[in-house]
Amino acid sequence: SQQGEEDPQALSIQEGENATMNCSYKTSINNLQWYRQNSGRGLVHLILIRSNEREKHSGRLRVTLDTSKKSSSLLITASRAADTASYFCATDAIYNQGGKLIFGQGTELSVKP
Amino acid sequence: NAGVTQTPKFQVLKTGQSMTLQCAQDMNHNSMYWYRQDPGMGLRLIYYSASEGTTDKGEVPNGYNVSRLNKREFSLRLESAAPSQTSVYFCASSEWALDPTDTQYFGPGTRLTVL
Repeated sequence: SQQGEEDPQALSIQEGENATMNCSYKTSINNLQWYRQNSGRGLVHLILIRSNEREKHSGRLRVTLDTSKKSSSLLITASRAADTASYFCATDAIYNQGGKLIFGQGTELSVKP
Repeated sequence: NAGVTQTPKFQVLKTGQSMTLQCAQDMNHNSMYWYRQDPGMGLRLIYYSASEGTTDKGEVPNGYNVSRLNKREFSLRLESAAPSQTSVYFCASSEWALDPTDTQYFGPGTRLTVL
């Protein structure tokens, strides 16, 4: 079963605009991570936010976490054509002693030049 | 460093055939994983190995077996392939699965078609 669900499933924007993707999850977590996948490639880790953090930045990325709503958002500012990719959230539930990550279905982002 | 490597990149099988997907990592990671990715389904964990000598089932283990050959290598075997196993398979590794801040490094994937 999917722990994380991303919204929207697909997003198309113009270069220079901001892109916001949302992730909702079902159970209490230790951390939430965001990964990116370029077409035909493996996933690449972007950022990790701990359950006791509310916001985290990394370059043009801003991640927020609201544990009361069991949701997270990923904001990419000043998007570039190279940001075109699928973005996945991944969670590790507190009950999970095996260290397994559970991935959402992803948001497909298209940035048009 | 090559990171995580997978072979083969592409494979076509007939129903009932067997094959082994190979994965190796050169980052001295303790933990390794096998996922499958299907359209609209995200990534689903098949098996993982938290450390050398241990393997555990993930979300969708049926029809698969794994071997943690050594610390570097983790193989996935399909004993009797079925069309439902048509998918893209990703291997990943991480330093230590039991660390809550652990992050995973992915290979480039194997695209498998079962006819």
